[in-house]
Amino acid sequence: QQQVKQSPQSLIVQKGGISIINCAYENTAFDYFPWYQQFPGKGPALLIAIRPDVSEKKEGRFTISFNKSAKQFSLHIMDSQPGDSATYFCAAALRSGGSYIPTFGRGTSLIVHP
Amino acid sequence: DGGITQSPKYLFRKEGQNVTLSCEQNLNHDAMYWYRQDPGQGLRLIYYSQIVNDFQKGDIAEGYSVSREKKESFPLTVTSAQKNPTAFYLCASSIFPAAGGGSTDTQYFGPGTRLTVL
Repeated sequence: QQQVKQSPQSLIVQKGGISIINCAYENTAFDYFPWYQQFPGKGPALLIAIRPDVSEKKEGRFTISFNKSAKQFSLHIMDSQPGDSATYFCAAALRSGGSYIPTFGRGTSLIVHP
Repeated sequence: DGGITQSPKYLFRKEGQNVTLSCEQNLNHDAMYWYRQDPGQGLRLIYYSQIVNDFQKGDIAEGYSVSREKKESFPLTVTSAQKNPTAFYLCASSIFPAAGGGSTDTQYFGPGTRLTVL
């Protein structure tokens, strides 16, 4: 049972375009939603995160949109650059015994063409 | 520089052998985690530890074992009981207890170890 569904699996955009990655979750107890960026052969790194009490969070060219009623959230990358080419993971985290344990989506491979 | 070190970067083992993957952190984090990453599968939690000498099973603990004798170290042993051990293994750490669901609660990942069982 996949608790966090991520789409698309792969995405190709032109430089300067908008990249959009969508995620949906089922467990309404999730209360922290981070996005991670991973380059080949490296570990994931936190990109941006949101709590369910806000509908949008923006950091530079990266924006998370959150729809609590629909149990969906998405990552928008504005003015996409070739350096943004990486795999992106959404996650939904639950507080368990004092830690936020994330459940990850399966990832989206983004390629930005120059 | 603070961070997480995983060694080695690449590891080859023969089928039926146990192998131990190293994870060390100098971030002064109490919580540490092990994930397995397979192509198209995302990251799946194997084990996690919130304090020294205590650890909990994750979603796919079968065939794996861990120890947490020191705050800085959380080694993972892939045993011969693991049916399909070839994968990319990631170690992570975070503060504990969590502050409240902000960026300070995020997990910081190491560079990973790619294990290939021949």
